[in-house]
Amino acid sequence: EAGVTQFPSHSVIEKGQTVTLRCDPISGHDNLYWYRRVMGKEIKFLLHFVKESKQDESGMPNNRFLAERTGGTYSTLKVQPAELEDSGVYFCASSQVFGSGVETQYFGPGTRLLVL
Amino acid sequence: KQEVTQIPAALSVPEGENLVLNCSFTDSAIYNLQWFRQDPGKGLTSLLLIQSSQREQTSGRLNASLDKSSGRSTLYIAASQPGDSATYLCAGLSNFGNEKLTFGTGTRLTIIP
Repeated sequence: EAGVTQFPSHSVIEKGQTVTLRCDPISGHDNLYWYRRVMGKEIKFLLHFVKESKQDESGMPNNRFLAERTGGTYSTLKVQPAELEDSGVYFCASSQVFGSGVETQYFGPGTRLLVL
Repeated sequence: KQEVTQIPAALSVPEGENLVLNCSFTDSAIYNLQWFRQDPGKGLTSLLLIQSSQREQTSGRLNASLDKSSGRSTLYIAASQPGDSATYLCAGLSNFGNEKLTFGTGTRLTIIP
């Protein structure tokens, strides 16, 4: 079974440009999460989808970040316009329905974003 | 607000030794705690998940414990091998219905051959 996949693996853009990150969760996982690790800091939660609905977006830093999950399958995270402080590693994770007793979050390899 | 701390930030151990990695958290109303390893430039690999009703979980040479009353979890690695070298992260899920993981900053483990 394929794990969580993310595209691209790396992205280098200039300040002010737009970048879109994509995450494909494990098939059948309704929960999808975005996390971010900026240099020297711990991994922090950004938002959580249940199917196509945003369950919790309390970690989104500002309105330059837009996440979507059309049809409840893959998700995209768009940063527009990108700022220097947006540099970091963006992780996506997925899990089965909460309360099922199988709630391990499985993480993708991450997208390394560098804003110059 | 849940805060997770991992000390030390780095640890070097000779091959073959047993070792313990520590994780502490501030909110005892934790729902579950997950241990991950991260290899350089790679994603996170889930190692063990402990539900709040459990005291420990084992997988091969790994054993994780959870003590909610003291706000601590430990990851025990038996008979360490060079392939165990990685950064180990613990993350807590605070409570039912709040599914965001709160991560520690990790412990970078080096096993010396």
